[in-house]
Amino acid sequence: EAGVAQSPRYKIIEKRQSVAFWCNPISGHATLYWYQQILGQGPKLLIQFQNNGVVDDSQLPKDRFSAERLKGVDSTLKIQPAKLEDSAVYLCASSLARTAGNTIYFGEGSWLTVV
Amino acid sequence: GQNIDQPTEMTATEGAIVQINCTYQTSGFNGLFWYQQHAGEAPTFLSYNVLDGLEEKGRFSSFLSRSKGYSYLLLKELQMKDSASYLCAASLTGGGNKLTFGTGTQLKVEL
Repeated sequence: EAGVAQSPRYKIIEKRQSVAFWCNPISGHATLYWYQQILGQGPKLLIQFQNNGVVDDSQLPKDRFSAERLKGVDSTLKIQPAKLEDSAVYLCASSLARTAGNTIYFGEGSWLTVV
Repeated sequence: GQNIDQPTEMTATEGAIVQINCTYQTSGFNGLFWYQQHAGEAPTFLSYNVLDGLEEKGRFSSFLSRSKGYSYLLLKELQMKDSASYLCAASLTGGGNKLTFGTGTQLKVEL
């Protein structure tokens, strides 16, 4: 079974530029997540989708971050304009359902460096 | 608020046993996940405890005490490939499938 796919793996941009990350979840997984993991910390949830609807985006910095999952499968996370503190790994993840306790499977992440 | 505590680093010897502790203070606690994360790779699922007690899965076991807000991950017969970060995460109720992660415990296995 294919895992969660993400691209690009690595990106270096200057501050105030924009960047977009793409994610394809495990086939059949209705719930998709974007996490931010800063070096030395645990992942922090940015946004959670159920099919193509947003379940939780309470920790998404909406002035600069946006995400969509238009057809309920692939998702894109965008940052515009980027700040130095956005340097992190952006992990996409998916689970079969949104009920508590469903195992969340992570992609390998997109590494962002803002200079 | 939500608070998950685990040691930052641990070192152990190949072939030995190591216990990684995790304490949590959360509202709406449902269960406790453990993930393994090698440097530069995705976190991978190890275990999930909902009920009190010990669950064994090969060389890895995980324990939960809901009344004490405490969990541990036990790794037996340590191998060099077990060198990784081990993330403790609380699964929360209250809508959605929310995980609150600790900062991770970096385990180094030495010869």
